[in-house]
Amino acid sequence: EPEVTQTPSHQVTQMGQEVILRCVPISNHLYFYWYRQILGQKVEFLVSFYNNEISEKSEIFDDQFSVERPDGSNFTLKIRSTKLEDSAMYFCASSGRGARTGELFFGEGSRLTVL
Amino acid sequence: GNSVTQMEGPVTLSEEAFLTINCTYTATGYPSLFWYVQYPGEGLQLLLKATKADDKGSNKGFEATYRKETTSFHLEKGSVQVSDSAVYFCALFRSNDYKLSFGAGTTVTVRA
Repeated sequence: EPEVTQTPSHQVTQMGQEVILRCVPISNHLYFYWYRQILGQKVEFLVSFYNNEISEKSEIFDDQFSVERPDGSNFTLKIRSTKLEDSAMYFCASSGRGARTGELFFGEGSRLTVL
Repeated sequence: GNSVTQMEGPVTLSEEAFLTINCTYTATGYPSLFWYVQYPGEGLQLLLKATKADDKGSNKGFEATYRKETTSFHLEKGSVQVSDSAVYFCALFRSNDYKLSFGAGTTVTVRA
């Protein structure tokens, strides 16, 4: 069964360093998302991406964050200069026609720890 | 704005026990409601959904009914198994912004 894959599963970084989290969405999907969950808190929407551009972003997704789909398969989230409060589990998701009904397919998540 | 509030965990049960996880929502309009589940070491998976009032979503023995009058979407299972141990997330979706709004998640542990 097709699945969304994310790498790395866990990354530890120093404050101020750049981090890139990678995702391979399901191949025929067109909508891509990043969500995050700070430990003990809600899963929060960060950004959605469709047709090679950001379609929506939350207030969390400030200038330190960026997303790219550099080739036909990867979807990346970059944090330019990490802060302690960026420590969280980051989930990538993709969707096909189910994007219009909320049916997203999620990866296993990438845990980011900022020291 | 849209928000979901779900029962805090963790919840620990014995096999064959009855499970209820409460979920209430705040939203304008007519959102779709979901339960997603995360099994250990895996990603979030759609468990069930309901798109309009009085709809009942069901899957793997779990059920939830969309109650507009009480703005609730409580998850229930009559007889849990060890394999149901997971984190359960209630979520709301509005088609005008294509975003899922999640609850904080409820960790359920089922003991043999």
